[in-house]
Amino acid sequence: KQEVTQIPAALSVPEGENLVLNCSFTDSAIYNLQWFRQDPGKGLTSLLLIQSSQREQTSGRLNASLDKSSGRSTLYIAASQPGDSATYLCAVSGYSSASKIIFGSGTRLSIRP
Amino acid sequence: GAGVSQTPSNKVTEKGKYVELRCDPISGHTALYWYRQSLGQGPEFLIYFQGTGAADDSGLPNDRFFAVRPEGSVSTLKIQRTERGDSAVYLCASSLTSGEADTQYFGPGTRLTVL
Repeated sequence: KQEVTQIPAALSVPEGENLVLNCSFTDSAIYNLQWFRQDPGKGLTSLLLIQSSQREQTSGRLNASLDKSSGRSTLYIAASQPGDSATYLCAVSGYSSASKIIFGSGTRLSIRP
Repeated sequence: GAGVSQTPSNKVTEKGKYVELRCDPISGHTALYWYRQSLGQGPEFLIYFQGTGAADDSGLPNDRFFAVRPEGSVSTLKIQRTERGDSAVYLCASSLTSGEADTQYFGPGTRLTVL
C-alpha cells in the first residue's frame, strides 16, 4: 500500500529565504507526482505535476524534483514571500489506478514578513 | 469560467442523522472525485466517477457512505447514520477526463461536523 510522508509538518521562515519541502513515498511504481497548495477554507490548487519519466518541473519561483528510485521528491521555493504561506501537499498516483491520488499530510508553511 | 462548487459549505448534524453533500463540477468535465480530509491530514480518496458510473469506489469506508451522479454532472455524497468520526472536510474535484495527465480541479469543500 502506497504511503506518502512529508517532512517537516510545519515550517516558519523569514521572508526572502529559499526553502525546501520534502516528500517521500513507499512504492516507486508511480505514474506521476504532484505538489498542491491549500489555503485555509479553500480547495487545493495544483502547482506542479511531474510524470514518472521526468526528473523535475519548474514554474516561476517553484521547482520540484523527483527521484523515483529512492522514493523522494522535493519542492524548492525561491525568494519566499508572505503570500507563499499555505499548506503544501505532495501526492502520487500509481499505475494500477492513475486517477486515484494518494496524498501526504502536508507541510504548513509560514513566511514571516 | 466557474470552478467546482460544493454545497453546503458547512453542515452540522447530530449523530445518527442522514446527510447529503452536493458537488457541481466544472462544466464539461466527465470525471468527478470525492475525497475526505481530516484535521491535520491530507485528503483521502473515497470514490471517482467517469460519466454516470462509479469507476472506483474502493475508498468508501463502509456501507453508510454512498455517492451518485445520475446525469453525469452534479454528484451527491450521501452518509447514513452519521457518526462523530465522520466529521471532516469533504472535497470534490473534477477533471476533463479520467486520463492520468488530466489535472483535477478541487472545490472549496464541505465541512461536516457530527455532534
